[in-house]
Amino acid sequence: DQQVKQNSPSLSVQEGRISILNCDYTNSMFDYFLWYKKYPAEGPTFLISISSIKDKNEDGRFTVFLNKSAKHLSLHIVPSQPGDSAVYFCAANAGGTSYGKLTFGQGTILTVHP
Amino acid sequence: EAGVTQSPTHLIKTRGQQATLRCSPISGHTSVYWYQQALGLGLQFLLWYDEGEERNRGNFPPRFSGRQFPNYSSELNVNALELEDSALYLCASSPRRGQYFGPGTRLTVT
Repeated sequence: DQQVKQNSPSLSVQEGRISILNCDYTNSMFDYFLWYKKYPAEGPTFLISISSIKDKNEDGRFTVFLNKSAKHLSLHIVPSQPGDSAVYFCAANAGGTSYGKLTFGQGTILTVHP
Repeated sequence: EAGVTQSPTHLIKTRGQQATLRCSPISGHTSVYWYQQALGLGLQFLLWYDEGEERNRGNFPPRFSGRQFPNYSSELNVNALELEDSALYLCASSPRRGQYFGPGTRLTVT
């Protein structure tokens, strides 16, 4: 049972344009969401997070949107840069007895073309 | 500020052997998490330690175990290694809900 899903395995975008990465979840107990960026053979790098009490959080070129009714979140990168090319994972946390556990999606490979 | 560190970078073991992986959290972080990323799969939660106690465990057999030391560093032990244990093992630490990852240990079981 995959509770966090990233349905697009890959995304290709032109430099300077917007990249939109999507993530859906099924567990209504999730109340904290994170996005990570990962290069091959490296650990994930934390990008941005959002609590379920918000519907938007912004940090520089990165904005995360949360639609709780649709159980959907998205990461917008504007403008996209070639250095953004990596695998992007969304992750969710439920709190309570699952406080320490992040549930990850399968990842989306973003390629930004110069 | 130093990030999460892990050792060794690579580890090659034979089936049936034991592997020990080490992690040092970011200074001031008391929680340490372990994840497994097998080839073609996403990150799977293994273990969470906080203040020296195991707080939560993922869906892995008992031969995956670990501990956290008084200085908050942690060890992951994998006994009776199987070929499918070959994966990137990631450690993360956090002060709260966001988790910061180390570079990982690549375990290869032959």
